[in-house]
Amino acid sequence: DQQVKQNSPSLSVQEGRISILNCDYTNSMFDYFLWYKKYPAEGPTFLISISSIKDKNEDGRFTVFLNKSAKHLSLHIVPSQPGDSAVYFCAASARYVDSSYKLIFGSGTRLLVRP
Amino acid sequence: EADIYQTPRYLVIGTGKKITLECSQTMGHDKMYWYQQDPGMELHLIHYSYGVNSTEKGDLSSESTVSRIRTEHFPLTLESARPSHTSQYLCASVGGSDQPQHFGDGTRLSIL
Repeated sequence: DQQVKQNSPSLSVQEGRISILNCDYTNSMFDYFLWYKKYPAEGPTFLISISSIKDKNEDGRFTVFLNKSAKHLSLHIVPSQPGDSAVYFCAASARYVDSSYKLIFGSGTRLLVRP
Repeated sequence: EADIYQTPRYLVIGTGKKITLECSQTMGHDKMYWYQQDPGMELHLIHYSYGVNSTEKGDLSSESTVSRIRTEHFPLTLESARPSHTSQYLCASVGGSDQPQHFGDGTRLSIL
């Protein structure tokens, strides 16, 4: 049973527009959420994270929103650029109860930003 | 900037061979991880370590083994490779509880 789900396998947006990537989770013990970006044949690159005590975290063009009651988070990229085209993974961790800090990943969303 | 290195980047090898995938980090992180990823799928944790002489199995069963003799080094070994082991293997490490895991570039393994 997948604890972290990314239901959209792909997303295509126009350059300059907003990209919104969504992620749902089922485990209420998750308290730390992350977004990673991955190019083919490379490892995931950390983008942005959010703790469960917050509902929003912003870093430049990237903003992550957390809705704990809905067990939903989203990544907003504004404005989108062609270089943002990659696979985006949502990940979650239950760090308060699990000292291993291991991550549970979603299956990824492939973002294509059209020039 | 995270410094975590994996070798080799690509490996194509025949069935039955013994393989060791190397992972090293220079950040002094205690916690290290191995994930396995197939195309279009999520990353699955197969091994992790809390520190020297500590190794634990992850959520996905794997025939591989790991060792942690030094803080900076976390190699993964397959004693007898099979085609079902074909996948991408990603190594990661993390510092404190409020830090993200940092990943190496991975090893893409193909067993013929």
